[in-house]
Amino acid sequence: AQTVTQSQPEMSVQEAETVTLSCTYDTSESDYYLFWYKQPPSRQMILVIRQEAYKQQNATENRFSVNFQKAAKSFSLKISDSQLGDAAMYFCAYRSAELSYGKLTFGQGTILTVHP
Amino acid sequence: GAGVSQSPSNKVTEKGKDVELRCDPISGHTALYWYRQSLGQGLEFLIYFQGNSAPDKSGLPSDRFSAERTGGSVSTLTIQRTQQEDSAVYLCASSSTGTPRETQYFGPGTRLLVL
Repeated sequence: AQTVTQSQPEMSVQEAETVTLSCTYDTSESDYYLFWYKQPPSRQMILVIRQEAYKQQNATENRFSVNFQKAAKSFSLKISDSQLGDAAMYFCAYRSAELSYGKLTFGQGTILTVHP
Repeated sequence: GAGVSQSPSNKVTEKGKDVELRCDPISGHTALYWYRQSLGQGLEFLIYFQGNSAPDKSGLPSDRFSAERTGGSVSTLTIQRTQQEDSAVYLCASSSTGTPRETQYFGPGTRLLVL
């Protein structure tokens, strides 16, 4: 079974600064997808960024980028120019590409606080 | 609809009572997932529907939990004889056909508190 670990229960950052959230995972599969989801106090899970394991290039979405290290099974999220609206719980998630459906396995989450 | 909706938004019940949680997926989405978010267990998969069938029920924690989906649309998660450890946020998600490549769209969840 796959596991996802987020070792930082809480992180904080000053507005306009950069912060990196860590995630490691364990799998014996070679093809899979990795995700970062954001959950604000409204509870609505919002997809931030996704990475396909067979792609070596790190995914980027505006101020959000990942550092995907497949051999190390590491998938960190970098948030640049942090904004107050980035404050939320962030979840790292794994999805096998070997299943016929998209069951997600989540990490424990990291609460991000943004200070003005 | 425009997004995944869930009802009720919050539910308080007494230990031993039955509860029903509802999920309305995005129109046309055949894949539907239930997840549970609790303090002790984090965010965990419960069940997957493809149409009205549930090929993967492996995450249901006990036989007190059941779910159904009718008309390939609305899904209901039922918890019988609720226990305090059932207190959690129950999230529903849907995707177009269910393949691993697709984005899952989540609803706002139902917060269940069992007293």
